[in-house]
Amino acid sequence: AQSVTQPDIHITVSEGASLELRCNYSYGATPYLFWYVQSPGQGLQLLLKYFSGDTLVQGIKGFEAEFKRSQSSFNLRKPSVHWSDAAEYFCAVGAGRNQGGKLIFGQGTELSVKP
Amino acid sequence: SQTIHQWPATLVQPVGSPLSLECTVEGTSNPNLYWYRQAAGRGLQLLFYSVGIGQISSEVPQNLSASRPQDRQFILSSKKLLLSDSGFYLCAWGGQGIQYFGAGTRLSVL
Repeated sequence: AQSVTQPDIHITVSEGASLELRCNYSYGATPYLFWYVQSPGQGLQLLLKYFSGDTLVQGIKGFEAEFKRSQSSFNLRKPSVHWSDAAEYFCAVGAGRNQGGKLIFGQGTELSVKP
Repeated sequence: SQTIHQWPATLVQPVGSPLSLECTVEGTSNPNLYWYRQAAGRGLQLLFYSVGIGQISSEVPQNLSASRPQDRQFILSSKKLLLSDSGFYLCAWGGQGIQYFGAGTRLSVL
């Protein structure tokens, strides 16, 4: 069965420092992969997605992610974190064909940013 | 462009009362529709999804039900709320493999 693991429940980084959020997935075929961000009390916003092609994908707000098939990973990165990046981040994988477009979400990583 | 509306934003209900949360989508036809619940400090739990009018799939047994009376309308209901139904409810619509989320409803059952 498909699954997504985000090993870090909470991460704190200093403003201006680089960021990497980890995501590992379990999926039998080439996955559709996503990163979403959620500010407190808000819905989820799509940061970026990977369907095929170039394994380094660029998203909004200066984020990027790299698909590594050999490691079953899709880690999210940002070179310089801003205070406004403090939020919860969710990695997700598409559940596969004939699954109604369902996504399987990780448990999320909460990001705090120190001034 | 497509937009998704979810209301109300906040709801406080007594135990045993009924529930109706509504979600509508504009700017697209025949979307997949989803209801999620997010308990405090936890991830997203898919409750229901729908691939068409009147077609509802339930992911987990629970005290809730869903209906899709129109193409772009998705309703989450309960006849009698439980304390455990408290949480943050999110509606989403899906197209071309991507899901887009509403702003959510914070439900407190007291």
